[in-house]
Amino acid sequence: AQSVTQLDSQVPVFEEAPVELRCNYSSSVSVYLFWYVQYPNQGLQLLLKYLSGSTLVKGINGFEAEFNKSQTSFHLRKPSVHISDTAEYFCAVSNAGGTSYGKLTFGQGTILTVHP
Amino acid sequence: SQTIHQWPATLVQPVGSPLSLECTVEGTSNPNLYWYRQAAGRGLQLLFYSVGIGQISSEVPQNLSASRPQDRQFILSSKKLLLSDSGFYLCAWSQQGAGEKLFFGSGTQLSVL
Repeated sequence: AQSVTQLDSQVPVFEEAPVELRCNYSSSVSVYLFWYVQYPNQGLQLLLKYLSGSTLVKGINGFEAEFNKSQTSFHLRKPSVHISDTAEYFCAVSNAGGTSYGKLTFGQGTILTVHP
Repeated sequence: SQTIHQWPATLVQPVGSPLSLECTVEGTSNPNLYWYRQAAGRGLQLLFYSVGIGQISSEVPQNLSASRPQDRQFILSSKKLLLSDSGFYLCAWSQQGAGEKLFFGSGTQLSVL
């Protein structure tokens, strides 16, 4: 069984400050890792994903995440946030390979609030 | 381009009443379809997935059922809602063989009172 833990339920930051949203996972098999974002009154959107290769993954809107296998982490970072980054962020994991159905296990979500 | 429609956005239902949430996908054919739920204070949980018409797999035992009467239509149902069915329900699709990328609908907030 897999599990995902997002260590912070809420993260308030000021505009132009850096931010890190933390995600740890547990799995007995190799995994794919994802970050999704949900803006107010919108559906989930894929922010970035790690499938293989470089452990530093760059996504949309200036976000990046680093896969650390030894620490089983996939933290999301942005060097300078904007008001428009205010949203809920979800970390997710799925089994690597296999049938590749979209059977994701999600974390509880982190609400990022950017203050002016 | 592909789009996914999910409705209604919010729904308040009494305990014991039936439920029907509908999701349709446009601009693609033979997608994989999914229903997820987020209960208060918990992560998103996969409820059902479907790889074709009439083919439904359930991930967790529950009071809900799903059906896929058409290639791009996915319906979540219940005959009698429970308080514990309250939550945020998301429909999603992915291309066959590319299940690592999901496209989500905007969700339905269901409150069972």
